[in-house]
Amino acid sequence: DTEVTQTPKHLVMGMTNKKSLKCEQHMGHRAMYWYKQKAKKPPELMFVYSYEKLSINESVPSRFSPECPNSSLLNLHLHALQPEDSALYLCASSQDQYTGELFFGEGSRLTVL
Amino acid sequence: AQSVTQLDSQVPVFEEAPVELRCNYSSSVSVYLFWYVQYPNQGLQLLLKYLSGSTLVKGINGFEAEFNKSQTSFHLRKPSVHISDTAEYFCAVRKAAGNKLTFGGGTRVLVKP
Repeated sequence: DTEVTQTPKHLVMGMTNKKSLKCEQHMGHRAMYWYKQKAKKPPELMFVYSYEKLSINESVPSRFSPECPNSSLLNLHLHALQPEDSALYLCASSQDQYTGELFFGEGSRLTVL
Repeated sequence: AQSVTQLDSQVPVFEEAPVELRCNYSSSVSVYLFWYVQYPNQGLQLLLKYLSGSTLVKGINGFEAEFNKSQTSFHLRKPSVHISDTAEYFCAVRKAAGNKLTFGGGTRVLVKP
């Protein structure tokens, strides 16, 4: 199994809503990542988790709150987002944060109204 | 910090013609190099990677790339493209002892019949 599964595939939310994006992998990887991708741009790193602990936060606004409940799951909690936060959110995993390539999910396309 | 430059933002090419996508990087230390492909409305899929060893790397779908340390380049090639190769291609670099994957700006390949 070499898949990273993200849910939901599409999400529309208002600026006062609270929602979550979910990511799951069963490859035994110990590093997981959140990236944000705007249209026609490369992915931008948001967070890195290594062995279930937050390793990197790329100065992401607090309205984005990551959570890693266990080594297979990664969540991104969303609250009070702005329309400019609309983007494709990609989850990825790798063997660990220093080793191997990143495996990406299909992404969750978020629209903030 | 490392950086990646993809010299062409768009590359139109006719079906069955060869294609080359250019990628240059800058880093003061040893790096790992990757090429990812992103089909419309999908996540990123790894085409190939260079970690060490032979500088000519073969990947999936008939793609190959050559690592040139003196020119700090990692150009991607395919001798004969198909319509299905229409996609966005991202070059990415990571320091050999680092934990951040940095993407280039992307090259959009449009294969014409």
